[in-house]
This record gives sequence, C-alpha cells and structure tokens, in this order.
Amino acid sequence: DTAVSQTPKYLVTQMGNDKSIKCEQNLGHDTMYWYKQDSKKFLKIMFSYNNKELIINETVPNRFSPKSPDKAHLNLHINSLELGDSAVYFCASSPDAVREQFFGPGTRLTVL
Amino acid sequence: ELKVEQNPLFLSMQEGKNYTIYCNYSTTSDRLYWYRQDPGKSLESLFVLLSNGAVKQERRLMASLDTKARLSTLHITAAVHDLSATYFCTCEEGAQKLVFGQGTRLTINP
Repeated sequence: DTAVSQTPKYLVTQMGNDKSIKCEQNLGHDTMYWYKQDSKKFLKIMFSYNNKELIINETVPNRFSPKSPDKAHLNLHINSLELGDSAVYFCASSPDAVREQFFGPGTRLTVL
Repeated sequence: ELKVEQNPLFLSMQEGKNYTIYCNYSTTSDRLYWYRQDPGKSLESLFVLLSNGAVKQERRLMASLDTKARLSTLHITAAVHDLSATYFCTCEEGAQKLVFGQGTRLTINP
C-alpha cells in the first residue's frame, strides 16, 4: 500500500543508452512531479503534470521526456544518457498544483 | 525568480542542546514547507506553514513563519540522535512549483 512508488530503485547503465523510470501513486492526486537531486543534495524540479497535462517543464535537456498515461502514472524516459545525468530522481504527487507533496523512494541513476 | 537559502548548511550538535535552522526566501510566497530526508531515503513532509505567524510543533521540532521578513525557522529542542537528517525548506513559486533550499545536514552526536 505504498503511496508513491518508483521503479527501479537503482539503475546503472552506460553512456549513450536509453532508460526509463516509472512512477505510480495510489493517493488519488491530480498532480505529479519529477525532481532531480544531485550529489550535493540539491533538489530541483524537472517536470510537473496535472491530470495528464504538462504544466511545468524546467530547463531540462530534450533527452528527457516525461509521459503520463493516466493521472496515477508519470514515467520519465531519458535518451542518450550522459555522465552528468547521474543523480537520484524523485517522483512526487500532490492533491493539486503545488500543495504539500508526497515523494517516492527515489531512483539512483548511475551512468558509467 | 524565487530563491530559498538555508543556514547553516551543516550543523553538528550535541544531544540535549537546542538549535535553530534558518530559511530565507527572496520573494513573496504563500506557503512554506519543511521536509526531512534521511541518508539514502526519500523526503518526508514535516510542516506546512500557511500564513504569517504560523507556528507548528511536533515533539522536539518547531517551525515558524514570518512572511514580512521572508523567514522561516526550524527550532530543535533538546536534540536526540534520531533527529540526525537533512532538513529542507521549500516555498511555492507562482502557485506552480516548489523551490527548495540547499538543505541543512544535521548531525547529532551522543
């Protein structure tokens, strides 16, 4: 009965590969987010979806593409992975835009 | 553009002592949140502060908000080891997104 879940928890891959991270929330929230946390623990929003529609797209390289098949799911696909993409990626959800957000367990991506 | 700054960024303290983490933000924001993150773990919501003068307390932690000074504080009373974690404050920007501070890494020594 996990509220916000992500898979995989760990992802190790080579430069140039394409990978996806999946996120699901069972809280009935309308809004979902992707954040990147770098090695210095700095947390920055990447994308936000409200009812399957993109509402925030920060200055993220085009290699990152979010997809929301329904309001309970928000996946993140990354093309042509680079060393600098290594980070922990967190999914989050909230009842509507911005309100208190609930975070998933994170996916630690390591690009070799 | 909203900027959120916390200080200190690193804090090492003894059990039983009191201390305060400060969070300053640069532009008007309607709401402020405090989150806790344990090493290798996710972020856990601690407090939601909705208005000027708001004060919330949970056991040894107390958070307050002064919107006129654009300042929030997280006060730790009689620290215990299990409060060791990284604490983030974050504010809403334009009712669209959260902007996070750098985090304060708190270590409490026996």
